[in-house]
Amino acid sequence: DAGVIQSPRHEVTEMGQEVTLRCKPISGHNSLFWYRQTMMRGLELLIYFNNNVPIDDSGMPEDRFSAKMPNASFSTLKIQPSEPRDSAVYFCATAVYRPGVSNQPQHFGDGTRLSIL
Amino acid sequence: RKEVEQDPGPFNVPEGATVAFNCTYSNSASQSFFWYRQDCRKEPKLLMSVYSSGNEDGRFTAQLNRASQYISLLIRDSKLSDSATYLCVVRRGKLIFGQGTELSVKP
Repeated sequence: DAGVIQSPRHEVTEMGQEVTLRCKPISGHNSLFWYRQTMMRGLELLIYFNNNVPIDDSGMPEDRFSAKMPNASFSTLKIQPSEPRDSAVYFCATAVYRPGVSNQPQHFGDGTRLSIL
Repeated sequence: RKEVEQDPGPFNVPEGATVAFNCTYSNSASQSFFWYRQDCRKEPKLLMSVYSSGNEDGRFTAQLNRASQYISLLIRDSKLSDSATYLCVVRRGKLIFGQGTELSVKP
């Protein structure tokens, strides 16, 4: 059973560069979430999609961050231009969304460890 | 003030000890509640949902008090493999994570 697949696992790049993180959800999961985790702020939701449509992007820190979900099997989180303070672990999680049902568990990918120098 | 508050720990306990984690949440509109476990440098994984009636899964017992907006997790007979960070999570539309409580079980 393939879980949530994220790539790359690690990325080190210089500030100012564009960074693209990728996520492939579990087949059949129609909700997708992008999180960022740091020691200082813990795990924070950046944006989530239901059925490929962005529902809540209030956690996206600023315009340098953008996320897309062009189809049910792929999502990207892009940072342009990147800054050192963007260094964190970025997790993608997916779940089955059913209206009115709130207890569906989220399954997390292994994360992308991003370091901006 | 964070919406979900936990004691960050670390909790250092010997094998076999009973350990309790507490969590409070500030928004009474929170709909459902969970405990997640996160091992070092790994992804969070769902440990258990938390119900108002209290629920148990083996050595783990979770309790919810909606009136006082309080959630707890009790681990009995702790094992070395229980060492991890335990995240208190509430759902209010989206999931909102606490900072986590680190547990270290020593031989």
